[in-house]
Amino acid sequence: DAGVTQSPTHLIKTRGQQVTLRCSPKSGHDTVSWYQQALGQGPQFIFQYYEEEERQRGNFPDRFSGHQFPNYSSELNVNALLLGDSALYLCASSLGWVNTEAFFGQGTRLTVV
Amino acid sequence: SQQGEEDPQALSIQEGENATMNCSYKTSINNLQWYRQNSGRGLVHLILIRSNEREKHSGRLRVTLDTSKKSSSLLITASRAADTASYFCATVLISGYSTLTFGKGTMLLVSP
Repeated sequence: DAGVTQSPTHLIKTRGQQVTLRCSPKSGHDTVSWYQQALGQGPQFIFQYYEEEERQRGNFPDRFSGHQFPNYSSELNVNALLLGDSALYLCASSLGWVNTEAFFGQGTRLTVV
Repeated sequence: SQQGEEDPQALSIQEGENATMNCSYKTSINNLQWYRQNSGRGLVHLILIRSNEREKHSGRLRVTLDTSKKSSSLLITASRAADTASYFCATVLISGYSTLTFGKGTMLLVSP
């Protein structure tokens, strides 16, 4: 049973560019959440998708956007990259969007130079 | 913002010893979860304790929850070098949404 898979594992982008990160949820899961983890910090919630709609959003600017596809996979897009966007981006999947256990992928390490 | 705060920030022990990490939070919760992270990679779910539970066990892990003090503790018994990792507590608020609010974590080093 494949767990949560994220791609790519590492990415280097230049300030001002745009980036797309991808996530495939654990088999049977229909909800995907994205988190940003800066070095030495705990993960911060970005947003959550369920039934192809954004259900919850954390305190992140509109430069961060996402999408969920009919097969439940998801993308995180970040526009106009800033140096401060350098972080580990984690995708988590769960069954349903109410108080359930989340399973995390290995993350995408984004470095903005 | 980060709701949970782990204590201590770092903990260094010898193999075979017990490790205790504490977590405090600010607002009422539906449940609290503990996660483990190796070397800045993905998070591994360890245990979930609901607000109406006081203690849960899973293998060498014991978690307690005191909702009156808004605190939780994670005890790892008979620690092994392989337990070296960062440990995070994460709360799910009573709103019903399964979004997690993490603390900054405790870095545990277990020496052989």
